[in-house]
Amino acid sequence: GAVVSQHPSWVICKSGTSVKIECRSLDFQATTMFWYRQFPKQSLMLMATSNEGSKATYEQGVEKDKFLINHASLTLSTLTVTSAHPEDSSFYICSATRGLGTEAFFGQGTRLTVV
Amino acid sequence: SQELEQSPQSLIVQEGKNLTINCTSSKTLYGLYWYKQKYGEGLIFLMMLQKGGEEKSHEKITAKLDEKKQQSSLHITASQPSHAGIYLCGADRRAAGNKLTFGGGTRVLVKP
Repeated sequence: GAVVSQHPSWVICKSGTSVKIECRSLDFQATTMFWYRQFPKQSLMLMATSNEGSKATYEQGVEKDKFLINHASLTLSTLTVTSAHPEDSSFYICSATRGLGTEAFFGQGTRLTVV
Repeated sequence: SQELEQSPQSLIVQEGKNLTINCTSSKTLYGLYWYKQKYGEGLIFLMMLQKGGEEKSHEKITAKLDEKKQQSSLHITASQPSHAGIYLCGADRRAAGNKLTFGGGTRVLVKP
């Protein structure tokens, strides 16, 4: 299967700082990537759709100024959590696909802890 | 409320026994995906079903999608400790893109 790499795997940051998470498709081009958030013992909640070369599409209730998404190339999307607060602590995971109707492959996730 | 209902929420099974997980949607799906996740890790793709009545198998895992494309089941035969984890079904309701809505997950524990 295709490989999606997410970096870092875990990060601890202080309140008020910003954190950038990278999602890379290593062996295929992904025009669309997705960012999810997962709270402990809960399922994945879609945050936004990252489109290469255009603005991201955010799900209802997700602050676009809080969670900045950039999809600068066909193999890289970044999620920046700005002015992080403890309530932003969560497991963030991205996915990427080759195209319509194909499998969505997920990164290994990033555990963010804001202290 | 969940758009995709997954049951049971958790399951403890003796090693060697079979188990079944169900995933139900109130709306017709374009595609249904099954993933396995270990706590705090990424998702491992298991299977994708797109056609009504479709059934796929890989090793000891079989997934089915009903004719109406609203319900799917994941069946594991002769479970092993390596099958332990969280199983998630993801629904793709549109032909455009692979934006998935996930069920609540099923935690599987296999007792040796």
